[in-house]
Amino acid sequence: NAGVTQTPKFQVLKTGQSMTLQCAQDMNHNSMYWYRQDPGMGLRLIYYSASEGTTDKGEVPNGYNVSRLNKREFSLRLESAAPSQTSVYFCASSPGGDLDTQYFGPGTRLTVL
Amino acid sequence: AQSVTQLGSHVSVSEGALVLLRCNYSSSVPPYLFWYVQYPNQGLQLLLKYTSAATLVKGINGFEAEFKKSETSFHLTKPSAHMSDAAEYFCAVDRSGSARQLTFGSGTQLTVLP
Repeated sequence: NAGVTQTPKFQVLKTGQSMTLQCAQDMNHNSMYWYRQDPGMGLRLIYYSASEGTTDKGEVPNGYNVSRLNKREFSLRLESAAPSQTSVYFCASSPGGDLDTQYFGPGTRLTVL
Repeated sequence: AQSVTQLGSHVSVSEGALVLLRCNYSSSVPPYLFWYVQYPNQGLQLLLKYTSAATLVKGINGFEAEFKKSETSFHLTKPSAHMSDAAEYFCAVDRSGSARQLTFGSGTQLTVLP
């Protein structure tokens, strides 16, 4: 099992460009998450999907959209990137029950110039 | 709103010494609490979690944490540090009651000196 995979690993964008971060899991998990990690701030939840077909806002959703494409895949889209979105983005998944452990991918390092 | 505060952004210990990483939470109700570890260039990995069963929680790699309601603390300890423990550690509190909306602390970077 690969666990949680993310593509790309690194990306540099110019302000105003758009891009989609991809995430896939092969653990048959129901719930998936997107976080951003900024220096000195820990991780903050952007969006999550409790189950296939549902998505909900987290702590910092502004400037992002998500798509739960199927049970395996959960993508994060930046429609018009801003320098404030420079961050490391982590995808995670969990089985879907209450208090389940979240399993994290290796992250995507995004720089917006 | 629930939050966590990690005291000390950097902690250094000698190999074989006690590891103590501090976490205090603010919550109006007993929370669910977690410790995660992040090794360089990797995603986070769960060390342990408190879900209102036993107040002393044992995790992986010899780590444990004690939930103290009177002190609103959930400090992480390990009796004897190993070089492989060098990593960043994050305390997190659940905002939703289901562990689907975690609020993370700012992290503590642990350095283990030979």
